[in-house]
Amino acid sequence: DAGVTQSPTHLIKTRGQQVTLRCSPKSGHDTVSWYQQALGQGPQFIFQYYEEEERQRGNFPDRFSGHQFPNYSSELNVNALLLGDSALYLCASSLVPLLSSYNEQFFGPGTRLTVL
Amino acid sequence: GNSVTQMEGPVTLSEEAFLTINCTYTATGYPSLFWYVQYPGEGLQLLLKATKADDKGSNKGFEATYRKETTSFHLEKGSVQVSDSAVYFCALSGGAGNNRKLIWGLGTSLAVNP
Repeated sequence: DAGVTQSPTHLIKTRGQQVTLRCSPKSGHDTVSWYQQALGQGPQFIFQYYEEEERQRGNFPDRFSGHQFPNYSSELNVNALLLGDSALYLCASSLVPLLSSYNEQFFGPGTRLTVL
Repeated sequence: GNSVTQMEGPVTLSEEAFLTINCTYTATGYPSLFWYVQYPGEGLQLLLKATKADDKGSNKGFEATYRKETTSFHLEKGSVQVSDSAVYFCALSGGAGNNRKLIWGLGTSLAVNP
């Protein structure tokens, strides 16, 4: 059973460029969340997708956008890259219970984005 | 809003020493609590969890008890090993108005020396 996979592993871009990161959830999971982890920091929630819609969003600008496909995989797009966008981008998948707030998330290895 | 505060690192211990990493939280309602571990160069892995008050999560010799009266979820291990060297994150999910995202502490780096 494949876990959460992300691509690419590493990426180098320059300021002003655009980037797309990809995530495939764990088999059977239907919800994908994206997090940004700056060096030496804890992850910061970007947004979450369920049923191909953005369901919840953290404190990130509109330059950060996403998409979820019918097969539950997801993309994170970042436009007009800034130096401060350099970070590890983590994808997590889960199966959201209908009647519980409990939400165990399984993480991918991340994509390391460097903006020069 | 909801938040997690964990003790700052780095923490440096000798092998077989006792480990405590403190974690306290602020949340309305009844969140679930987690400890995640990030080994060097790897992604985040769930170490243990507790979903209601007085629950004790345990895994790989690590334990943490969900204490609602003190809003705490401290991580403990009786005898650490060199292989436990990693960054440990306390996180919460759920509670009133937040049933989907994880809210994280800043992480505590642990180095265990032989």
